Amino acid sequence: DVKVTQSSRYLVKRTGEKVFLECVQDMDHENMFWYRQDPGLGLRLIYFSYDVKMKEKGDIPEGYSVSREKKERFSLILESASTNQTSMYLCASSPPGQPIEQYFGPGTRLTVT
Amino acid sequence: GQSLEQPSEVTAVEGAIVQINCTYQTSGFYGLSWYQQHDGGAPTFLSYNGLDGLEETGRFSSFLSRSDSYGYLLLQELQMKDSASYFCAVRHSSYKLIFGSGTRLLVRP
Repeated sequence: DVKVTQSSRYLVKRTGEKVFLECVQDMDHENMFWYRQDPGLGLRLIYFSYDVKMKEKGDIPEGYSVSREKKERFSLILESASTNQTSMYLCASSPPGQPIEQYFGPGTRLTVT
Repeated sequence: GQSLEQPSEVTAVEGAIVQINCTYQTSGFYGLSWYQQHDGGAPTFLSYNGLDGLEETGRFSSFLSRSDSYGYLLLQELQMKDSASYFCAVRHSSYKLIFGSGTRLLVRP
């Protein structure tokens, strides 16, 4: 069974703080993704990575950065958190060459006050 | 731009059949996926259509018409546990999915 884990289920941070969201997958997948999910907007892709140290911007990368130093770990960084980054953050992974069947983590609900 | 349209909410009765439609307008298209998400849960993959036609997996079927930029998810013999949100997602490139905003399905007894 593919397992994708995220470091926290709930997180509360203050405006201006640097925030790290961690994601780990145990299936040796090349592809990893970070999404945010907001009501009525579905899942929007922030960044994805198709290999260690490789990253590509998604549809809404502004205010975010990512790090992939090891194959199993993909981190999302909010350099200076803002209230409009309050959201549910979902990490996913998929086997090489296809993004079709993505395996999602349980999500981190981030509140920025 | 990229857009996927699906109804925001659908209600159906237990044991019935329900169809959730998805129309898309994207710059790239390789195929259409469907995901299910229960409240508080993670999205899980249901099906993928890379070619036109119907794909069946148990009680769930998915259909694609590339010429109409249209697909649907068909759920038969509805059960209470099918109450969830359903997302269509276009495979836009080798690496990327673009998700619709989701359809909330409520199954009533």
